[in-house]
Amino acid sequence: EVQLVESGGGLVQPGGSLRLSCAASGFTFSNYGMSWVRQAPGKGLERVSGITDSGGSTYYADSVKGRFTISRDNSKNTLYLQINSLRAEDTAVYYCAKRVATAAYFDFWGQGVLVTVSS
Amino acid sequence: VVMTQSPATLSVSPGEGATLSCRASQSVSSNLAWYQQKPGQAPRLLIYGSSTRATDIPARFSGSGSGTEFTLTISSLQSEDFVVYYCQQYNNWPLSFGGGTKVEIK
Repeated sequence: EVQLVESGGGLVQPGGSLRLSCAASGFTFSNYGMSWVRQAPGKGLERVSGITDSGGSTYYADSVKGRFTISRDNSKNTLYLQINSLRAEDTAVYYCAKRVATAAYFDFWGQGVLVTVSS
Repeated sequence: VVMTQSPATLSVSPGEGATLSCRASQSVSSNLAWYQQKPGQAPRLLIYGSSTRATDIPARFSGSGSGTEFTLTISSLQSEDFVVYYCQQYNNWPLSFGGGTKVEIK
């Protein structure tokens, strides 16, 4: 059974930092691209970052470029998102999502972790 | 690619059918997925390739379309279907989602 379990969220002040983690199990993690997709309260879905199976290529939405860093440790089956210089508009539930092998849609999602940016 | 879903809210009676629309600002071929999101839960993949149901998705969900116009049809709505639906194109980078359609009980 595929499982994606996020952790690391919480309340942080503007300008602060957090590192989100997504522990994967039930599939060969190193074979699949992964993404972070966020959802602000009452809003839609926004893919903020993605990484290829090897970690050799990454993507960032313009809204987070230069502040967020995605990475993965295939030996630990874990995806990360380092988020710096947090802003109020970064407040959202952050989901990690697994890509299918042959196309860029997402067949499994974690339960999400809430990041709240507030003073 | 900008994905536009309509309507934003759809009011339907239980047992009736519903048709949700998703329009792309440029052609995405058939590289279109639909997701269902229940309150407090992560999105769940319903449809990929515009019309292929994902694993364990009931047959009352069907997708159609290509190019710029897509439709998700739900026949005979069950109580658990009154939630939010999102489309996502994966033909062009960056990937993009529609704003969602909420299906509510009439």
